[in-house]
Amino acid sequence: GENVEQHPSTLSVQEGDSAVIKCTYSDSASNYFPWYKQELGKRPQLIIDIRSNVGEKKDQRIAVTLNKTAKHFSLHITETQPEDSAVYFCAASAANTGFQKLVFGTGTRLLVSP
Amino acid sequence: DAGVIQSPRHEVTEMGQEVTLRCKPISGHDYLFWYRQTMMRGLELLIYFNNNVPIDDSGMPEDRFSAKMPNASFSTLKIQPSEPRDSAVYFCASSLGAANQPQHFGDGTRLSIL
Repeated sequence: GENVEQHPSTLSVQEGDSAVIKCTYSDSASNYFPWYKQELGKRPQLIIDIRSNVGEKKDQRIAVTLNKTAKHFSLHITETQPEDSAVYFCAASAANTGFQKLVFGTGTRLLVSP
Repeated sequence: DAGVIQSPRHEVTEMGQEVTLRCKPISGHDYLFWYRQTMMRGLELLIYFNNNVPIDDSGMPEDRFSAKMPNASFSTLKIQPSEPRDSAVYFCASSLGAANQPQHFGDGTRLSIL
């Protein structure tokens, strides 16, 4: 089955800096990769997703890149702000379930200091 | 547009008691997922349904856990008898479509078993 590894587990940056979170997946058949942001005590919220027919996708200050050959994908946040502080989860669809299930990474705690 | 609705938001009960968690998916969504989140194990998929039918319950920890979806707008997750190690945040999520679709999470139920 699919396995997703996420790094780093914690990331501290200064406001205005960029932040990058990386995930690797094991199943080359996976073709959907969402990213979720979870603030303390809140629900995971989808912030951006990418499908395997696309190499990069942007939405204002956030972007996701996908390297299918290397089986890794990354979340990029530019001009970070204190409100970006949260736990970020990557996920990949599991081909052995007909892509119905998502397998989540272990999360990255991002702290943006003013 | 109402999102996924879960109840109760918080539940504190004594070991051995029955616990029932409830979820109303987004109207029109045909997939429903139950997750458990803990610091130690992260976000774990317990079970998911498609058109009210359980598809994969391999994540259900043991026979004390059961889930039902009697209709398209309601699902329950029951723990009987509850144990302290069941303490966690339980999330329900729903999605539309067969595969590779974003899952939308509810606000979760924070469960504490004393």
